[in-house]
Amino acid sequence: KAGVTQTPRYLIKTRGQQVTLSCSPISGHRSVSWYQQTPGQGLQFLFEYFSETQRNKGNFPGRFSGRQFSNSRSEMNVSTLELGDSALYLCASSLVGVTGAEAFFGQGTRLTVV
Amino acid sequence: GENVEQHPSTLSVQEGDSAVIKCTYSDSASNYFPWYKQELGKRPQLIIDIRSNVGEKKDQRIAVTLNKTAKHFSLHITETQPEDSAVYFCAASLETGANNLFFGTGTRLTVIP
Repeated sequence: KAGVTQTPRYLIKTRGQQVTLSCSPISGHRSVSWYQQTPGQGLQFLFEYFSETQRNKGNFPGRFSGRQFSNSRSEMNVSTLELGDSALYLCASSLVGVTGAEAFFGQGTRLTVV
Repeated sequence: GENVEQHPSTLSVQEGDSAVIKCTYSDSASNYFPWYKQELGKRPQLIIDIRSNVGEKKDQRIAVTLNKTAKHFSLHITETQPEDSAVYFCAASLETGANNLFFGTGTRLTVIP
């Protein structure tokens, strides 16, 4: 079974630009979440999508948005990029609510804002 | 929202010794507590989890304990090996198998051969 796949693996963008990251979950997983990982703040929850609806949201500004498609693939968009948005963005998929289920992470997209 | 604190931030142990990492959480409604291991340059991977109806869970050299009254949980690694060297993250969530996890800031464990 294929794991969680994120594309692209690396991105370099300029301040003020916008960026779109993609995540393909494990087949059958309907929950996809996004996390931001930085050396100073650790892993921070951005938002979770389930059946094309945002189910939970972390404490990030509105510049961070996402969506989920009918095949459960998800995209995350960051507009008006700031230097502080440089981070590793991880997505995770899960069979949420199922006893014994766990969240599986992708390899991440490393975003550098210059 | 949930706030998870994790200590220590770094931990060095001799091979064969035990390592203990502690976390506290703020939301008494949280009932799912996974631990993830992240090796350098790799994705976080679940190593053990515990749910609020269980006080302790063990898997070979790894054990997790949960004290719901005090709102803290701990990871215990016995007989540490060099391959245990990694960053360990605790997390908390309201839902079992959850995908909206609130993480601690991580503990960098170094096992010295």
